[in-house]
Amino acid sequence: DQQVKQNSPSLSVQEGRISILNCDYTNSMFDYFLWYKKYPAEGPTFLISISSIKDKNEDGRFTVFLNKSAKHLSLHIVPSQPGDSAVYFCAARGSNYKLTFGKGTLLTVNP
Amino acid sequence: NAGVTQTPKFQVLKTGQSMTLQCAQDMNHNSMYWYRQDPGMGLRLIYYSASEGTTDKGEVPNGYNVSRLNKREFSLRLESAAPSQTSVYFCASSEGPNQPQHFGDGTRLSIL
Repeated sequence: DQQVKQNSPSLSVQEGRISILNCDYTNSMFDYFLWYKKYPAEGPTFLISISSIKDKNEDGRFTVFLNKSAKHLSLHIVPSQPGDSAVYFCAARGSNYKLTFGKGTLLTVNP
Repeated sequence: NAGVTQTPKFQVLKTGQSMTLQCAQDMNHNSMYWYRQDPGMGLRLIYYSASEGTTDKGEVPNGYNVSRLNKREFSLRLESAAPSQTSVYFCASSEGPNQPQHFGDGTRLSIL
């Protein structure tokens, strides 16, 4: 049973517009959430994180929102750039510090 | 600025052969991890080492063994490879078990 779900396998947006990537989780014990970005033939790269005690964290063009009651988080990229085209993984950390990853969303930013 | 280095990058094995995947990090991190990624799947944790001298099972440990050789190195061994172990294997490290993980570029392993 998937504890971290990214229900959109792919997303396509125009350069300059907002990209919104979504992630849902089922385990209420998760206390820390991360987003990773992955280019082909490379390992995932850490992007941004949020603790369960917060509802928003910003880093430049990237903002992560957490809605604990809905067990939902989202990553906003504004403005989107062609170099942002990659697979984005949502991950959640449980009480044993292990990360559980979603299946990923392929973001394509069109020039 | 190497970060996490995995060797080899590619490998083809026959069923029943053994293989050790190597991983080394130069960031003086305490924790290290091995994941596998299969098509259409997220990364799944095989084993991890929270600190030098300790190892623990992750989500999918069957068919694998690990060795935390020292603080820098964490190897993954397949004793008798099976086609179901065809995958991309990623090693990662972090300062501690509750810090963001940094990944290597992966080892693409095919078992025939």
